[in-house]
Amino acid sequence: DAGITQSPRYKITETGRQVTLMCHQTWSHSYMFWYRQDLGHGLRLIYYSAAADITDKGEVPDGYVVSRSKTENFPLTLESATRSQTSVYFCASSSRGPSGTGELFFGEGSRLTVL
Amino acid sequence: SQQGEEDPQALSIQEGENATMNCSYKTSINNLQWYRQNSGRGLVHLILIRSNEREKHSGRLRVTLDTSKKSSSLLITASRAADTASYFCATDGAQAGTALIFGKGTTLSVSS
Repeated sequence: DAGITQSPRYKITETGRQVTLMCHQTWSHSYMFWYRQDLGHGLRLIYYSAAADITDKGEVPDGYVVSRSKTENFPLTLESATRSQTSVYFCASSSRGPSGTGELFFGEGSRLTVL
Repeated sequence: SQQGEEDPQALSIQEGENATMNCSYKTSINNLQWYRQNSGRGLVHLILIRSNEREKHSGRLRVTLDTSKKSSSLLITASRAADTASYFCATDGAQAGTALIFGKGTTLSVSS
């Protein structure tokens, strides 16, 4: 099915473990984004990518790593998970850049709990 | 830091009533977007208004933008129980390449 899919939808891990959240889109959108959503903070941008092999930091990038070897995939890795990274993570894509009035299409979210 | 801030944080109304949510932002923008999020789901785009527009309509939605006050409002007319959701405004920076920044959202509850 066309769209943007995230996996896993739910993940429980322990402090210090590495976790990778996957994001795949079928529209061939150039732009992809990772946000985290926390109560009281709304959505905060972690990283975004304008094209394959081009990534840039957002508001809260510390503790996260991204890659974009293929246009359709944009995985987010927590290299050593901490409790403060317990959150709901949303991946989004857009055909145009943010300043090109690009509408964002969101995945359903990945709910991560770090014990 | 948040670019947009929605007000109120929570709103409870009866079916048939109108719901108004406000968004204030800090810096110049190219456009402002509103998104909706149902509980446990991803965000869905509702409407986009450009900086040179003052008002825009889409079905039961009406969005206004006042760039001099750096504020926007989202009006949902004749609310339905299915409108129960969180609503977020999102702004881009006027600089090219700036990603969308979201506010903290308004939680709307429509009771029948």
